Amino acid sequence: AQKITQTQPGMFVQEKEAVTLDCTYDTSDPSYGLFWYKQPSSGEMIFLIYQGSYDQQNATEGRYSLNFQKARKSANLVISASQLGDSAMYFCAMIREDSNYQLIWGAGTKLIIKP
Amino acid sequence: DTAVSQTPKYLVTQMGNDKSIKCEQNLGHDTMYWYKQDSKKFLKIMFSYNNKELIINETVPNRFSPKSPDKAHLNLHINSLELGDSAVYFCASRHRGTGGKNEQFFGPGTRLTVL
Repeated sequence: AQKITQTQPGMFVQEKEAVTLDCTYDTSDPSYGLFWYKQPSSGEMIFLIYQGSYDQQNATEGRYSLNFQKARKSANLVISASQLGDSAMYFCAMIREDSNYQLIWGAGTKLIIKP
Repeated sequence: DTAVSQTPKYLVTQMGNDKSIKCEQNLGHDTMYWYKQDSKKFLKIMFSYNNKELIINETVPNRFSPKSPDKAHLNLHINSLELGDSAVYFCASRHRGTGGKNEQFFGPGTRLTVL
């Protein structure tokens, strides 16, 4: 069965520092996709970044990059130069390609940026 | 322009009642989803639906039923509400196509409180 694991329930990071949020996954599918979403205190779900299992390069979107290590089954999110507005819950998720591309979610990491 | 909208944003009701949450997307997507986020912020897929198939997560009680009058709408009906149904419910949509980011666009969420 597919599974997503986020081992960091919470993190405190000083503003302007880089931060890495951990995500490991388990799947037997050769083709899969991994996402990171941000959920601020206002509650909405904001798409950050996507990595396909066959993508040759690690995904990047502005200050966000995904450290994809396929052999280790990890897809860590790296936020460079953190800002106060980065304080939020961060969720790692995986596509279930056999089920209409439903998302399976990790438990989330609460990130707090300190000024 | 709102991409994925949900109504109501807040819903407070008594145990045993029947209620509906509406979801509409104006993105022209052909696949829609309902997710439940519990009090511990854990997200779980409930349903996915496109014009050909409905996929129901096996853990969802049959008191929950999705209704799709057309491709742009996927409403959630809940019968005989229970205390444990209190959660935030997210609607999402995605364009069913090959390649790309497979990104799902989320609605703002509906916070359901059952008293």
